[in-house]
Amino acid sequence: ETGVTQTPRHLVMGMTNKKSLKCEQHLGHNAMYWYKQSAKKPLELMFVYSLEERVENNSVPSRFSPECPNSSHLFLHLHTLQPEDSALYLCASSQLPTSRGTGELFFGEGSRLTVL
Amino acid sequence: AQSVTQPDIHITVSEGASLELRCNYSYGATPYLFWYVQSPGQGLQLLLKYFSGDTLVQGIKGFEAEFKRSQSSFNLRKPSVHWSDAAEYFCAVGAPGGGNKLTFGTGTQLKVEL
Repeated sequence: ETGVTQTPRHLVMGMTNKKSLKCEQHLGHNAMYWYKQSAKKPLELMFVYSLEERVENNSVPSRFSPECPNSSHLFLHLHTLQPEDSALYLCASSQLPTSRGTGELFFGEGSRLTVL
Repeated sequence: AQSVTQPDIHITVSEGASLELRCNYSYGATPYLFWYVQSPGQGLQLLLKYFSGDTLVQGIKGFEAEFKRSQSSFNLRKPSVHWSDAAEYFCAVGAPGGGNKLTFGTGTQLKVEL
């Protein structure tokens, strides 16, 4: 089983739908992340959870709502999205940063979202 | 704030040829530097990382990268490319003491001709 698993791999939704993306990590990590990957743009960090508490929210619209019920699971709840929200959403996990700073991120395969 | 520039959007090389992918960063001190690879339909996989010490870093799949402070660069190299190396490559920078927040470049798409 891969270290970071994301479901669904593909999702098509209308602008009025409510859906959720799920991420599960089997690496014993204590930090989890949501990134957005759009064509021809750098990866955008959306949310960071450290020990199940949100520590970063990079000005993400409220139509994206994260949830981290425990250190192994991370959700991204989607509601009334716009077509420009269509992208690959990547989940990642890592050990907590130390005083030395950044650790290695382990990524899932992503959830390809299309908003009609 | 840190930033990363990957000046080459697309690169095509012949199988067996050498490869160098460019990465320039902007940061006030010595950053943490990473190279990730993404195959179609896949997530990102870490190739190598630089935190401190030896400026020539060895990674997986035969890749290496060299940190050059004077040029603010962290170029990725491979002496002989294999067809399976075709993928998108991302350079990323992190700030020491800044937590696990990485800033990624826009990526370089590598095509390998047989």
